[in-house]
Amino acid sequence: DAKTTQPNSMESNEEEPVHLPCNHSTISGTDYIHWYRQLPSQGPEYVIHGLTSNVNNRMASLAIAEDRKSSTLILHRATLRDAAVYYCILRVLNFGNEKLTFGTGTRLTIIP
Amino acid sequence: GAVVSQHPSWVICKSGTSVKIECRSLDFQATTMFWYRQFPKQSLMLMATSNEGSKATYEQGVEKDKFLINHASLTLSTLTVTSAHPEDSSFYICSASPTGDYGYTFGSGTRLTVV
Repeated sequence: DAKTTQPNSMESNEEEPVHLPCNHSTISGTDYIHWYRQLPSQGPEYVIHGLTSNVNNRMASLAIAEDRKSSTLILHRATLRDAAVYYCILRVLNFGNEKLTFGTGTRLTIIP
Repeated sequence: GAVVSQHPSWVICKSGTSVKIECRSLDFQATTMFWYRQFPKQSLMLMATSNEGSKATYEQGVEKDKFLINHASLTLSTLTVTSAHPEDSSFYICSASPTGDYGYTFGSGTRLTVV
């Protein structure tokens, strides 16, 4: 399975930008980079995804390295509601069967 | 946006009984749905891929006779935990995605407690 590596935890001050890194050195050409976040006792929530180009949406921005071996999720102005576990995942297409395999994620703490 | 509904939110059952969990895609058709299990303070573990009209694909180490998956329509997949035991107590989560370049939507999860 394609692997991602993330720091176990990060802290950020409220109202400041947050950069969450992810390494995926074994990514293949057809793998999409997905980000999800999870609050306690809830299902994960979709944040953003991309293939090669940087992506922006109302929640966040995704910066993808030129070689695609790493990416960074950017929360432009963190709020207390952004405290969650963030998962960087590769959407793997395997012989027409998709998989979305979770790693350990980064626990983001927002400091008021 | 795409919505996935999971039911029930929580269930308590006696050891040895079976429990069925439903996962529905409300506003899109899903030929594929995924079932995950999550233990406290751990990440989600993919259990199986549910394929409409065909047999599910189970991950290594997941007992297919214990975790029965049925995907009879394009909007409904069910996971039945058969002969449940306390070690099956966990948070079960399903997910699906519309066809194409979309993100996945997850259900709100089902907390199963076997006593």
